[in-house]
Amino acid sequence: DAGVIQSPRHEVTEMGQEVTLRCKPISGHDYLFWYRQTMMRGLELLIYFNNNVPIDDSGMPEDRFSAKMPNASFSTLKIQPSEPRDSAVYFCASSLGAGKTQYFGPGTRLLVL
Amino acid sequence: SQQGEEDPQALSIQEGENATMNCSYKTSINNLQWYRQNSGRGLVHLILIRSNEREKHSGRLRVTLDTSKKSSSLLITASRAADTASYFCATDENAGNMLTFGGGTRLMVKP
Repeated sequence: DAGVIQSPRHEVTEMGQEVTLRCKPISGHDYLFWYRQTMMRGLELLIYFNNNVPIDDSGMPEDRFSAKMPNASFSTLKIQPSEPRDSAVYFCASSLGAGKTQYFGPGTRLLVL
Repeated sequence: SQQGEEDPQALSIQEGENATMNCSYKTSINNLQWYRQNSGRGLVHLILIRSNEREKHSGRLRVTLDTSKKSSSLLITASRAADTASYFCATDENAGNMLTFGGGTRLMVKP
């Protein structure tokens, strides 16, 4: 398996633009997690899905953030409109089972100017 | 404060020395995990220790867990420059579905 795949790897955009981050989890994994990492706040869980259903989105910072998982092999995290404070590295991770080992993607480094 | 607080926040040692990192947590857990993150990369799972285990080994890694003190330690023996990375502990607090990560320990191993 190729592991968790994220795209794009880098994104530079201007404030106010829509940003869409994509993730393909490891085949067969039933949990998918979206994290954000910054120097100031460390690694934060934004939302996670179980069997494509959002379970806990309490970490989503505000309504500008939304996430979907239309099928078991694809998820998106959308920021609309983007703001400079959204600049961070966004990671997707998947696991087989609850509370188990998570496999992280390489991350998307987002810079909002 | 966070579940899974690592200590120290940063550690600098010479190649060949041992590195010890500690993690404290607050709630009951089913397991505690340690992850490694190289600069600019995603986190990589290193080792998982269950709540009924006290010690676990994997190569040069040794993890201990003391549930009475709600603490864990990660020991890297005979460190190498390639061990330079950030190390995070993560817990499934209250035996939940998700992991809560600490702030990490930045380890630098000087050649």
